[in-house]
Amino acid sequence: EDQVTQSPEALRLQEGESSSLNCSYTVSGLRGLFWYRQDPGKGPEFLFTLYSAGEEKEKERLKATLTKKESFLHITAPKPEDSATYLCAVQAKNTDKLIFGTGTRLQVFP
Amino acid sequence: DAGVIQSPRHEVTEMGQEVTLRCKPISGHDYLFWYRQTMMRGLELLIYFNNNVPIDDSGMPEDRFSAKMPNASFSTLKIQPSEPRDSAVYFCASQGYGNTIYFGEGSWLTVV
Repeated sequence: EDQVTQSPEALRLQEGESSSLNCSYTVSGLRGLFWYRQDPGKGPEFLFTLYSAGEEKEKERLKATLTKKESFLHITAPKPEDSATYLCAVQAKNTDKLIFGTGTRLQVFP
Repeated sequence: DAGVIQSPRHEVTEMGQEVTLRCKPISGHDYLFWYRQTMMRGLELLIYFNNNVPIDDSGMPEDRFSAKMPNASFSTLKIQPSEPRDSAVYFCASQGYGNTIYFGEGSWLTVV
């Protein structure tokens, strides 16, 4: 069964304190791994798609990496506006649907 | 681009009443997804359509739930009769060429 596990559930950082969020997955043939950001009261907002092990993508202070078993979302020198829940999802090769993890709730304090 | 549009944004209804949630996908997108989000279970896929045809409804919890997509620009998710355990945020999402799925702002449902 396709499965996504995210850790930690919650993370509190001081502004400027870099860290990483983890997404472990099992899937019957990976078609894509997705990262989304969700703010309170909003829908998930697309950040990145990764397709193969070794691939990396960056956007401002965020960098996503992918191995055959997990993905990391690295946050460099975070700011309070980076506070949100970060969701990871996988899409298997034999389907179009996304299977989501339960997310990491990030709080960045000034 | 207006994005995925959902209505209503908030609904409070009494147990036993019928609830209809509506979605307008992004123009030109041929996939439409309905997800439900709760604190306990996170985001769960209920059903998805391709070119207006339901492809996978294995996530629909019970016969009380039904979804339709009469045309490429409109879909509904109906709950009849509603129960308190149906209280959740219901998201509609759409996907066009490429793998990116875009979400609407959600419909917040409370059944009392």
